[in-house]
Amino acid sequence: KNEVEQSPQNLTAQEGEFITINCSYSVGISALHWLQQHPGGGIVSLFMLSSGKKKHGRLIATINIQEKHSSLHITASHPRDSAVYICAVGSRGGADGLTFGKGTHLIIQP
Amino acid sequence: GAVVSQHPSRVICKSGTSVKIECRSLDFQATTMFWYRQFPKQSLMLMATSNEGSKATYEQGVEKDKFLINHASLTLSTLTVTSAHPEDSSFYICSARTGISYGYTFGSGTRLTVV
Repeated sequence: KNEVEQSPQNLTAQEGEFITINCSYSVGISALHWLQQHPGGGIVSLFMLSSGKKKHGRLIATINIQEKHSSLHITASHPRDSAVYICAVGSRGGADGLTFGKGTHLIIQP
Repeated sequence: GAVVSQHPSRVICKSGTSVKIECRSLDFQATTMFWYRQFPKQSLMLMATSNEGSKATYEQGVEKDKFLINHASLTLSTLTVTSAHPEDSSFYICSARTGISYGYTFGSGTRLTVV
């Protein structure tokens, strides 16, 4: 079973700061997902990665398959970015559900 | 984009009663639906995988007779928590794969409180 570790668990930063959240996993995967969970619980899929780098607005996600590591970056952070960011991995073959990290609780202060 | 509609968003029920949670795929066919549970300050954990027209596959430690899953059509999967107990109070969320590219869409979740 894949072990997914995220760091940091909690992060408080000032508006405008560059944010990095890290994720590592133990077993080869089909894809890695970055998700955003708001206080009400709803989950939004931000990125799905199997290699390289993706960018969407101020969000950038990278993955290093050899090192089994991914990072999520937020540039020019804003209070509305405050949420829990979750890394999740899908197994090879894609038949199973996702395995989730515990999440990073991000607070951006104005 | 692909949307999964989950209802209810919040439910409070008495111990011993049953609660049904529905997830509908609105603009795509979800042959597989995953059901997850999240306890406070914990990560989401897979409970079961439902496939249209066949029996659900449950993860170890999840009682299939307590958490009844039905996936009778390509657009609807339901999870029924039977004889609910306070320890079943949790956040339940469904997710469907949207295609061969392994993309996932999540429902909005159901917060269940058993009193």
